[in-house]
Amino acid sequence: GAGVSQSPRYKVAKRGQDVALRCDPISGHVSLFWYQQALGQGPEFLTYFQNEAQLDKSGLPSDRFFAERPEGSVSTLKIQRTQQEDSAVYLCASSIFLVNEQFFGPGTRLTVL
Amino acid sequence: GNSVTQMEGPVTLSEEAFLTINCTYTATGYPSLFWYVQYPGEGLQLLLKATKADDKGSNKGFEATYRKETTSFHLEKGSVQVSDSAVYFCALSSTGTASKLTFGTGTRLQVTL
Repeated sequence: GAGVSQSPRYKVAKRGQDVALRCDPISGHVSLFWYQQALGQGPEFLTYFQNEAQLDKSGLPSDRFFAERPEGSVSTLKIQRTQQEDSAVYLCASSIFLVNEQFFGPGTRLTVL
Repeated sequence: GNSVTQMEGPVTLSEEAFLTINCTYTATGYPSLFWYVQYPGEGLQLLLKATKADDKGSNKGFEATYRKETTSFHLEKGSVQVSDSAVYFCALSSTGTASKLTFGTGTRLQVTL
C-alpha cells in the first residue's frame, strides 16, 4: 500500500515568505508527527496529532510555526515569515494508534534564501 | 528529559568487516528503542526495535540488544556489504501510547570494496 507522502519535496523561499508543507499519512493511521531535521543532525520533534487533535506542540520553535490536521487525515505545517534558520528537511510520520512504530515520509527540503 | 548519544561518524569499513555503532540513552521509565536507517536519497526506515530490557531486535543481519543496566542499544552486524552504506539513527520513545521519538545525531557508514 501507499506510504506517507509529502509535498512539495523541495521548496525554496525568500526570507519573509510564508510556506505550507503538506503530509498525507498512511490511510487509517491515527497518529501523525512532524519533525525538523537540520543538516547533519537527527530529526527533532515539532508536533503531534491524534486524529484532528493537536496533543503536543512543545517542539514548535516559535509562534511562526503552525500545524493543522482539520479532518484527521492530511496535515499541513505552515511557517510564516520564514527565516534562514528555518532551512531544514521537514519530516512527517504516521502510526497506528497505541503502536509506537512510526512510518516516515520522504521529507520536504526547505531552503530559505 | 530524554536524550540519545551515538558515536560520531563517518565509519568507514571494508566489505565483510564487523560493524558496531554505539548508542546510549537517558530516559525516565522504560522507553522503547529503535534503529532507523536513511539510505542516500531516501526517507527514514525502521531497521529494528526493542521494547523492553534484554530484548534483541534484528533485521537484515543487523542486531541490537536493549541493555537497561548500561542504558545502551548498540547496533551490530557481522559482515557489512556495500549496500549497507547509509546513515544510521538511534532513537527512543517513552513508555505508553504513540509517543514522539528522540533521535541521536546519526552515524554515517561507508562500506568499500
